[in-house]
Amino acid sequence: GNSVTQMEGPVTLSEEAFLTINCTYTATGYPSLFWYVQYPGEGLQLLLKATKADDKGSNKGFEATYRKETTSFHLEKGSVQVSDSAVYFCALINTGTASKLTFGTGTRLQVTL
Amino acid sequence: DTGVSQNPRHKITKRGQNVTFRCDPISEHNRLYWYRQTLGQGPEFLTYFQNEAQLEKSRLLSDRFSAERPKGSFSTLEIQRTEQGDSAMYLCASSPQGSVQPQHFGDGTRLSIL
Repeated sequence: GNSVTQMEGPVTLSEEAFLTINCTYTATGYPSLFWYVQYPGEGLQLLLKATKADDKGSNKGFEATYRKETTSFHLEKGSVQVSDSAVYFCALINTGTASKLTFGTGTRLQVTL
Repeated sequence: DTGVSQNPRHKITKRGQNVTFRCDPISEHNRLYWYRQTLGQGPEFLTYFQNEAQLEKSRLLSDRFSAERPKGSFSTLEIQRTEQGDSAMYLCASSPQGSVQPQHFGDGTRLSIL
């Protein structure tokens, strides 16, 4: 079946530090990959996506590259801000599974001044 | 863009009672999904509609759970004879048709069973 594994949090960084949140996946076929973000008290928001191997998704300074050879989709940002504090979820849609999302367990990011 | 709307935001009920949640998707989206999220976990798929047809149900959806989307617009999720283990955040999402269309989530309904 499909599964997503994320690094455990919380991740605590100082403002302007470099961020990496690791995500690896298991899926049959050719999944599309997503990062969602959940700010405190809010719903899930799509952050970025990639639909095929070697695609790079980017948004708000965040990037992730779809690596088929390592089955990974790590999230990176060069300089985090306090406002980036949130829970980040890696997820996949496998085209053979009726478009339902399979999520990782989430990684909490806390950015301090 | 009014977004996906879920009501109520919070529901507290006693064990054994029935509860019903409502989801209003983005108006032009014909796909609607229900997920459940427990503390410290990612959302888990429950069921999915395309227009009014319920096309898939997870094995997580026991016979105490039922979902409807009678006119292909809003959807309801009912839980009968609630149990402690039903305490969770229930999330609704919608998307246009197409396998790689991003799903837009509502803020969820938090259910607490006393």
